[in-house]
Amino acid sequence: ETVLTQSPGTLSLSPGESATLSCRASQGVYGNFLAWYQQRPGRAPRLLIYGASTRATGTPDRFSGSGSGRDFSLRIDRLEPEDFAVYFCHQHGNSPLTFGGGSTVEMK
Amino acid sequence: QLQLQESGPGLVKPSETLSLNCSVSGGSIITTLFYWGFIRQSPGKGLEWIGSVYYSGPSYYNPSLRNRVNLSVDTSLNQFSLTVNSVSASDTAVYFCARQAVRSKRLQCFDLWGPGTKVIVSS
Repeated sequence: ETVLTQSPGTLSLSPGESATLSCRASQGVYGNFLAWYQQRPGRAPRLLIYGASTRATGTPDRFSGSGSGRDFSLRIDRLEPEDFAVYFCHQHGNSPLTFGGGSTVEMK
Repeated sequence: QLQLQESGPGLVKPSETLSLNCSVSGGSIITTLFYWGFIRQSPGKGLEWIGSVYYSGPSYYNPSLRNRVNLSVDTSLNQFSLTVNSVSASDTAVYFCARQAVRSKRLQCFDLWGPGTKVIVSS
């Protein structure tokens, strides 16, 4: 199966700063079918980015995704208070579908 | 708008069968555009895809769970269901149901999730 390794585990930042999260796959992700989700405590994950770089409906443009093959990243510009959460990457190009372990963006 | 809601017992005994339903409201489960899936989340394993099912029955499963899991759809109730046999403590998790687009016969990502239901396996 395709293992997704996310880094860093935790990022401590202040509102207004920028965050860059990494997701590395153990093998190439077919079709760059890589998505990013945001999860707040006690809530379900919410789709932010799909196809590595396409924002889902309702995703603010301060969120951007990039990458291809095995290396992908999510950038969050000008962090807002509601952006402090856990972020997961998810690949659906290879079987079985898998998720990364998550990166936490916490308020400094 | 479309909403998903999981339901089921919060506590299951080891070796028994876990059964969960996911009710779809605000739209029909009968659609050629989507599959319907279950994902679980536990502190030890993180997010784990369990499987996805089409309204007319074809389904995909995670090979790691395939022997113990079954997905089904009840179009009259507009819901889909998950059963997990022979549960153990490692099946303790929050279980989510979600909608998953399909394009060119390939499963896409999960674009809409239910709030999740916590299941504890314990005697």
